[in-house]
Amino acid sequence: QKEVEQNSGPLSVPEGAIASLNCTYSDRGSQSFFWYRQYSGKSPELIMSIYSNGDKEDGRFTAQLNKASQYVSLLIRDSQPSDSATYLCAVNRGRDDKIIFGKGTRLHILP
Amino acid sequence: GAGVSQSPSNKVTEKGKDVELRCDPISGHTALYWYRQSLGQGLEFLIYFQGNSAPDKSGLPSDRFSAERTGGSVSTLTIQRTQQEDSAVYLCASSLEVAGGRNEQFFGPGTRLTVL
Repeated sequence: QKEVEQNSGPLSVPEGAIASLNCTYSDRGSQSFFWYRQYSGKSPELIMSIYSNGDKEDGRFTAQLNKASQYVSLLIRDSQPSDSATYLCAVNRGRDDKIIFGKGTRLHILP
Repeated sequence: GAGVSQSPSNKVTEKGKDVELRCDPISGHTALYWYRQSLGQGLEFLIYFQGNSAPDKSGLPSDRFSAERTGGSVSTLTIQRTQQEDSAVYLCASSLEVAGGRNEQFFGPGTRLTVL
Protein backbone atom coordinates (compact mmCIF):
# COMPACT_ATOMS: atom_id res chain seq x y z
CA GLN A 1 0.00 0.00 0.00
CA LYS A 2 1.35 3.39 -0.99
CA GLU A 3 1.83 5.85 1.83
CA VAL A 4 -0.16 8.60 0.09
CA GLU A 5 -2.54 7.85 -2.76
CA GLN A 6 -4.32 10.13 -5.16
CA ASN A 7 -6.25 9.54 -8.34
CA SER A 8 -4.01 10.76 -11.15
CA GLY A 9 -6.89 12.16 -13.20
CA PRO A 10 -7.33 14.15 -15.26
CA LEU A 11 -10.36 15.44 -13.43
CA SER A 12 -12.43 17.68 -15.67
CA VAL A 13 -14.81 20.13 -14.01
CA PRO A 14 -16.94 22.84 -15.65
CA GLU A 15 -16.12 26.43 -14.80
CA GLY A 16 -18.11 27.59 -11.78
CA ALA A 17 -18.65 24.09 -10.41
CA ILE A 18 -17.07 22.50 -7.33
CA ALA A 19 -13.91 20.49 -7.85
CA SER A 20 -13.34 17.71 -5.34
CA LEU A 21 -9.89 16.21 -4.92
CA ASN A 22 -9.27 13.23 -2.67
CA CYS A 23 -6.28 11.68 -0.97
CA THR A 24 -5.83 8.67 1.29
CA TYR A 25 -2.88 7.85 3.51
CA SER A 26 -1.67 4.75 5.29
CA ASP A 27 0.09 5.98 8.45
CA ARG A 28 -2.29 6.36 11.38
CA GLY A 29 0.41 8.35 13.16
CA SER A 30 0.24 11.18 10.62
CA GLN A 31 -0.81 14.49 12.11
CA SER A 32 -0.21 17.08 9.41
CA PHE A 33 -1.72 17.28 5.95
CA PHE A 34 -1.00 19.65 3.12
CA TRP A 35 -2.29 20.50 -0.32
CA TYR A 36 0.03 21.92 -2.94
CA ARG A 37 -0.80 23.27 -6.37
CA GLN A 38 1.66 22.88 -9.22
CA TYR A 39 1.25 24.64 -12.53
CA SER A 40 2.99 23.13 -15.52
CA GLY A 41 6.67 24.07 -15.52
CA LYS A 42 6.49 25.59 -12.03
CA SER A 43 7.32 24.47 -8.50
CA PRO A 44 4.69 23.23 -6.08
CA GLU A 45 3.01 25.98 -4.07
CA LEU A 46 1.44 25.38 -0.66
CA ILE A 47 -2.26 26.29 -0.66
CA MET A 48 -3.72 24.61 2.43
CA SER A 49 -2.59 22.95 5.65
CA ILE A 50 -4.89 21.04 7.97
CA TYR A 51 -4.13 19.41 11.30
CA SER A 52 -7.49 18.65 12.94
CA ASN A 53 -10.48 16.61 11.92
CA GLY A 54 -13.15 18.56 10.13
CA ASP A 55 -13.16 21.37 7.62
CA LYS A 56 -10.83 24.31 7.13
CA GLU A 57 -11.87 27.04 4.74
CA ASP A 58 -9.69 29.61 3.01
CA GLY A 59 -11.44 31.62 0.33
CA ARG A 60 -12.68 29.28 -2.37
CA PHE A 61 -10.70 26.37 -0.92
CA THR A 62 -11.88 23.97 1.78
CA ALA A 63 -9.71 21.20 3.16
CA GLN A 64 -11.45 18.30 4.87
CA LEU A 65 -9.75 15.80 7.16
CA ASN A 66 -11.07 12.52 8.50
CA LYS A 67 -8.36 10.75 10.50
CA ALA A 68 -10.55 7.76 11.33
CA SER A 69 -11.01 7.01 7.63
CA GLN A 70 -7.51 8.23 6.76
CA TYR A 71 -8.52 10.57 4.02
CA VAL A 72 -8.10 14.21 3.27
CA SER A 73 -9.84 16.15 0.55
CA LEU A 74 -9.71 19.54 -1.10
CA LEU A 75 -12.79 21.30 -2.42
CA ILE A 76 -12.49 24.20 -4.81
CA ARG A 77 -15.68 26.23 -5.12
CA ASP A 78 -16.55 28.35 -8.14
CA SER A 79 -13.79 26.71 -10.15
CA GLN A 80 -11.89 28.98 -12.51
CA PRO A 81 -9.74 28.11 -15.54
CA SER A 82 -6.78 29.40 -13.52
CA ASP A 83 -7.35 26.50 -11.08
CA SER A 84 -6.26 24.08 -13.79
CA ALA A 85 -3.11 22.50 -12.37
CA THR A 86 -1.83 19.40 -10.65
CA TYR A 87 -2.78 19.17 -6.98
CA LEU A 88 -0.42 17.32 -4.67
CA CYS A 89 -1.43 15.88 -1.32
CA ALA A 90 1.32 15.65 1.31
CA VAL A 91 1.29 13.98 4.71
CA ASN A 92 3.83 13.86 7.53
CA ARG A 93 5.04 10.42 8.54
CA GLY A 94 4.38 9.87 12.21
CA ARG A 95 7.66 8.26 13.22
CA ASP A 96 10.00 10.95 11.85
CA ASP A 97 7.86 13.83 10.51
CA LYS A 98 9.15 13.21 7.00
CA ILE A 99 6.74 14.67 4.45
CA ILE A 100 5.42 12.17 1.92
CA PHE A 101 3.84 13.38 -1.32
CA GLY A 102 1.22 11.70 -3.43
CA LYS A 103 1.67 11.57 -7.19
CA GLY A 104 -0.87 14.33 -7.72
CA THR A 105 -4.22 14.78 -9.44
CA ARG A 106 -4.41 16.75 -12.68
CA LEU A 107 -7.38 19.12 -12.62
CA HIS A 108 -8.76 20.67 -15.77
CA ILE A 109 -11.40 23.38 -15.50
CA LEU A 110 -13.49 23.55 -18.65
CA PRO A 111 -14.38 27.10 -19.76
CA GLY B 1 11.86 37.50 3.48
CA ALA B 2 13.61 35.63 0.71
CA GLY B 3 12.31 32.28 -0.34
CA VAL B 4 14.22 29.14 -1.23
CA SER B 5 16.72 29.78 -3.98
CA GLN B 6 18.43 27.31 -6.27
CA SER B 7 21.27 27.60 -8.71
CA PRO B 8 21.81 27.23 -11.53
CA SER B 9 18.29 27.52 -12.94
CA ASN B 10 19.35 25.51 -15.99
CA LYS B 11 22.25 23.17 -16.50
CA VAL B 12 23.20 21.40 -19.69
CA THR B 13 25.98 18.88 -19.42
CA GLU B 14 27.49 16.04 -21.34
CA LYS B 15 27.05 12.43 -20.37
CA GLY B 16 29.76 11.37 -17.95
CA LYS B 17 30.40 14.81 -16.48
CA ASP B 18 29.81 15.66 -12.81
CA VAL B 19 27.34 18.38 -11.80
CA GLU B 20 26.65 20.28 -8.59
CA LEU B 21 23.29 21.79 -7.79
CA ARG B 22 22.92 24.30 -4.99
CA CYS B 23 20.04 25.10 -2.64
CA ASP B 24 19.77 28.04 -0.25
CA PRO B 25 16.89 27.39 2.14
CA ILE B 26 14.77 29.99 3.87
CA SER B 27 16.71 31.47 6.77
CA GLY B 28 16.01 29.57 9.97
CA HIS B 29 14.58 26.51 8.27
CA THR B 30 16.29 23.44 9.67
CA ALA B 31 14.71 20.79 7.44
CA LEU B 32 15.71 20.52 3.78
CA TYR B 33 14.52 18.14 1.08
CA TRP B 34 15.71 17.36 -2.42
CA TYR B 35 13.29 15.99 -5.01
CA ARG B 36 13.53 15.07 -8.65
CA GLN B 37 10.69 15.52 -11.12
CA SER B 38 10.77 14.15 -14.63
CA LEU B 39 8.48 15.60 -17.28
CA GLY B 40 4.85 14.84 -16.49
CA GLN B 41 5.73 12.80 -13.43
CA GLY B 42 5.27 13.21 -9.69
CA LEU B 43 7.87 14.27 -7.14
CA GLU B 44 10.56 11.68 -6.51
CA PHE B 45 12.07 12.03 -3.03
CA LEU B 46 15.87 11.99 -2.98
CA ILE B 47 17.19 13.05 0.43
CA TYR B 48 16.00 14.70 3.64
CA PHE B 49 18.14 16.69 6.06
CA GLN B 50 16.49 17.12 9.46
CA GLY B 51 18.36 19.40 11.82
CA ASN B 52 21.33 17.65 13.38
CA SER B 53 20.06 14.14 12.66
CA ALA B 54 21.67 11.88 10.09
CA PRO B 55 20.14 12.58 6.68
CA ASP B 56 17.57 10.22 5.21
CA LYS B 57 19.26 9.14 1.99
CA SER B 58 16.77 6.42 1.16
CA GLY B 59 15.63 8.08 -2.06
CA LEU B 60 19.00 8.49 -3.75
CA PRO B 61 18.74 6.37 -6.91
CA SER B 62 22.39 5.31 -7.09
CA ASP B 63 25.79 5.90 -5.53
CA ARG B 64 26.42 8.52 -8.22
CA PHE B 65 24.17 10.81 -6.22
CA SER B 66 25.27 12.49 -3.01
CA ALA B 67 24.28 15.55 -1.04
CA GLU B 68 25.64 17.53 1.80
CA ARG B 69 24.47 20.36 3.92
CA THR B 70 27.07 22.67 5.37
CA GLY B 71 26.50 24.60 8.56
CA GLY B 72 22.88 23.56 8.65
CA SER B 73 22.06 25.90 5.79
CA VAL B 74 23.18 25.64 2.16
CA SER B 75 22.93 22.24 0.52
CA THR B 76 24.67 20.84 -2.55
CA LEU B 77 23.42 17.88 -4.56
CA THR B 78 26.18 16.26 -6.60
CA ILE B 79 25.62 13.88 -9.47
CA GLN B 80 28.72 12.09 -10.69
CA ARG B 81 29.16 10.60 -14.16
CA THR B 82 25.80 11.93 -15.32
CA GLN B 83 23.57 9.78 -17.48
CA GLN B 84 20.79 10.81 -19.83
CA GLU B 85 18.19 9.39 -17.46
CA ASP B 86 19.34 11.95 -14.87
CA SER B 87 17.71 14.67 -16.98
CA ALA B 88 14.94 16.18 -14.87
CA VAL B 89 14.03 19.16 -12.73
CA TYR B 90 15.68 19.00 -9.33
CA LEU B 91 13.65 20.73 -6.62
CA CYS B 92 14.71 21.77 -3.17
CA ALA B 93 12.31 22.54 -0.32
CA SER B 94 12.83 23.72 3.22
CA SER B 95 10.72 23.89 6.34
CA LEU B 96 10.84 24.67 10.01
CA GLU B 97 10.88 21.69 12.31
CA VAL B 98 7.74 22.06 14.37
CA ALA B 99 6.49 19.61 16.96
CA GLY B 100 3.71 17.44 15.64
CA GLY B 101 4.89 17.69 12.09
CA ARG B 102 3.45 21.10 11.26
CA ASN B 103 6.37 21.59 8.94
CA GLU B 104 5.06 23.35 5.88
CA GLN B 105 7.51 22.98 3.01
CA PHE B 106 8.38 25.79 0.66
CA PHE B 107 9.90 24.99 -2.68
CA GLY B 108 12.60 26.66 -4.68
CA PRO B 109 12.23 27.31 -8.41
CA GLY B 110 14.21 24.20 -9.32
CA THR B 111 17.20 23.40 -11.50
CA ARG B 112 16.47 21.95 -14.91
CA LEU B 113 19.21 19.46 -15.73
CA THR B 114 19.71 18.25 -19.27
CA VAL B 115 22.26 15.53 -19.94
CA LEU B 116 23.21 15.27 -23.61
